Amino acid sequence: ETGVTQTPRHLVMGMTNKKSLKCEQHLGHNAMYWYKQSAKKPLELMFVYSLEERVENNSVPSRFSPECPNSSHLFLHLHTLQPEDSALYLCASSQDRGANEQFFGPGTRLTVL
Amino acid sequence: AQSVTQPDIHITVSEGASLELRCNYSYGATPYLFWYVQSPGQGLQLLLKYFSGDTLVQGIKGFEAEFKRSQSSFNLRKPSVHWSDAAEYFCAVGAGSNYQLIWGAGTKLIIKP
Repeated sequence: ETGVTQTPRHLVMGMTNKKSLKCEQHLGHNAMYWYKQSAKKPLELMFVYSLEERVENNSVPSRFSPECPNSSHLFLHLHTLQPEDSALYLCASSQDRGANEQFFGPGTRLTVL
Repeated sequence: AQSVTQPDIHITVSEGASLELRCNYSYGATPYLFWYVQSPGQGLQLLLKYFSGDTLVQGIKGFEAEFKRSQSSFNLRKPSVHWSDAAEYFCAVGAGSNYQLIWGAGTKLIIKP
């Protein structure tokens, strides 16, 4: 595998379910990101991890819980989501947290029923 | 507050015609500027970036962009579009002490045969 991979690519869940999104980067980067992409809206940064330490949490609801066990893996744990959480969730990585190019995965298309 | 505006939600051009996508930003100092492209079902890919120096920046796939400080703009251009350029294009600004990326809402490019 190369670049940034995300699984699953598609996920349908009910509001009472618990699921997790997985991201893996094969680039040797030190920073990883979760973004939410909704139609016709700017990308919304959810979480940033640098060297496995969370450095930003942009007031994301607590029903989203990130986990970064090492610099190559990033998870987003989901529980009791709402229909408005349906979106494309993108993972990205960069060499460091500074003004570097971010490399994106293909995303997970999440539908909350 | 920092912001990025892409005034055109979608643009339609004929194959072989020239293209210009607009991006305006609001930031007190000179930011870092990026253009990304997202093909259907894919993550975002960096087209080009401006950090400093020559204000005309060359990118991949024949794209270029020009930074105009007086107009707070970073417009993306291509002299002759190909059908494979049909995608959504995002402008982003890296600003602040942590260079967090601020994103525009995107412009969808439609190519007429």
